[in-house]
Amino acid sequence: DAKTTQPNSMESNEEEPVHLPCNHSTISGTDYIHWYRQLPSQGPEYVIHGLTSNVNNRMASLAIAEDRKSSTLILHRATLRDAAVYYCILRVSSGNTPLVFGKGTRLSVIA
Amino acid sequence: DAGVTQSPTHLIKTRGQQVTLRCSPKSGHDTVSWYQQALGQGPQFIFQYYEEEERQRGNFPDRFSGHQFPNYSSELNVNALLLGDSALYLCASSLLDVGNQPQHFGDGTRLSIL
Repeated sequence: DAKTTQPNSMESNEEEPVHLPCNHSTISGTDYIHWYRQLPSQGPEYVIHGLTSNVNNRMASLAIAEDRKSSTLILHRATLRDAAVYYCILRVSSGNTPLVFGKGTRLSVIA
Repeated sequence: DAGVTQSPTHLIKTRGQQVTLRCSPKSGHDTVSWYQQALGQGPQFIFQYYEEEERQRGNFPDRFSGHQFPNYSSELNVNALLLGDSALYLCASSLLDVGNQPQHFGDGTRLSIL
């Protein structure tokens, strides 16, 4: 499985935007970029995914570099409820393949 | 619409014992995957069940086994428990033939081995 690299931790002030980076230099053409997050005492929660173009949904935006070797998850206005571990995962396009989690980035939000 | 539910939420066992964890998938989902999450680590894939058969398996010993029932619910069994089996066990459900769709996770069972 292709590997992703994320910072261990990041900190943000409440109501400010947060940019969570992910490097995936060995990504293949059929790999989608998925983001999940895990709030304290909960299971992981899907956030967003994309292939080549930037993606937006109600939770976040995903910006994908032109060469696809890196991506950034953008939370437009961090709230205390966004404090979680964020995982960047590569997943092949076909079938229902298992998720391969790394250690993720622990995001702290300061009031 | 109920999401993924897991039971029990917490469990304490001793070394050598056996344990069974249960999972009910999100309504409409036919595939169940199990993950083990050690403290401070990301979840690790154990296996996936579809149509009552194990479809894929991660790097876990045969002590870990599972079952899927006709109503798509699933069980994870672990025999001869070791201290290292202490972890959060997560169940995720999805639809098999829909490519790249999200997996929906339950909140897990916290297993402690004494």
